[in-house]
Amino acid sequence: GAVVSQHPSRVICKSGTSVKIECRSLDFQATTMFWYRQFPKQSLMLMATSNEGSKATYEQGVEKDKFLINHASLTLSTLTVTSAHPEDSSFYICSAPFNEQYFGPGTRLTVT
Amino acid sequence: AQTVTQSQPEMSVQEAETVTLSCTYDTSESDYYLFWYKQPPSRQMILVIRQEAYKQQNATENRFSVNFQKAAKSFSLKISDSQLGDAAMYFCASLETSGSRLTFGEGTQLTVNP
Repeated sequence: GAVVSQHPSRVICKSGTSVKIECRSLDFQATTMFWYRQFPKQSLMLMATSNEGSKATYEQGVEKDKFLINHASLTLSTLTVTSAHPEDSSFYICSAPFNEQYFGPGTRLTVT
Repeated sequence: AQTVTQSQPEMSVQEAETVTLSCTYDTSESDYYLFWYKQPPSRQMILVIRQEAYKQQNATENRFSVNFQKAAKSFSLKISDSQLGDAAMYFCASLETSGSRLTFGEGTQLTVNP
């Protein structure tokens, strides 16, 4: 099956700094990728839809200036959490559709 | 807009027994897909089974099967001969064919007791 990778798998950063999370489709091209946020024991919450060659579409309530998304190529989307705060600590998951949705392994972000 | 509801936050089953996880959904579309995903402690999302709405036959994948009741908008997952490795969070999800974004339910945490 198709593979989606995420990097890093875990990251710890200090409050006020920015952190970038990469999502790659390894063996297929993805014009669309999705970014989710998941709190412990909760469901996946869609944050935004990343579109190759155009601006991302953000869900209501998601600050687009705080969560910058760049879909740089047909195999790479990045999520940058700017000026991170402890409340941004969460598990972030990306996915890409290719007949079905393929999910990355997730990135655990801890902001201290 | 789609909605997906899982009314069982937690379920438990004895090893080798059968358990059914419930899911109801709502959509205005006539053509859509339904899925069950498994999220083990590693948190990697794994597709368990999918059902095309236009197919009346219930999907099966080895020990996993669904009971798709289109009129009732119900999509339950049955796990037979439960194994310890089945312990995970299970999410029901829907996808309208007009789009590519999934709508997830709240999840059901399944515990398998030895």
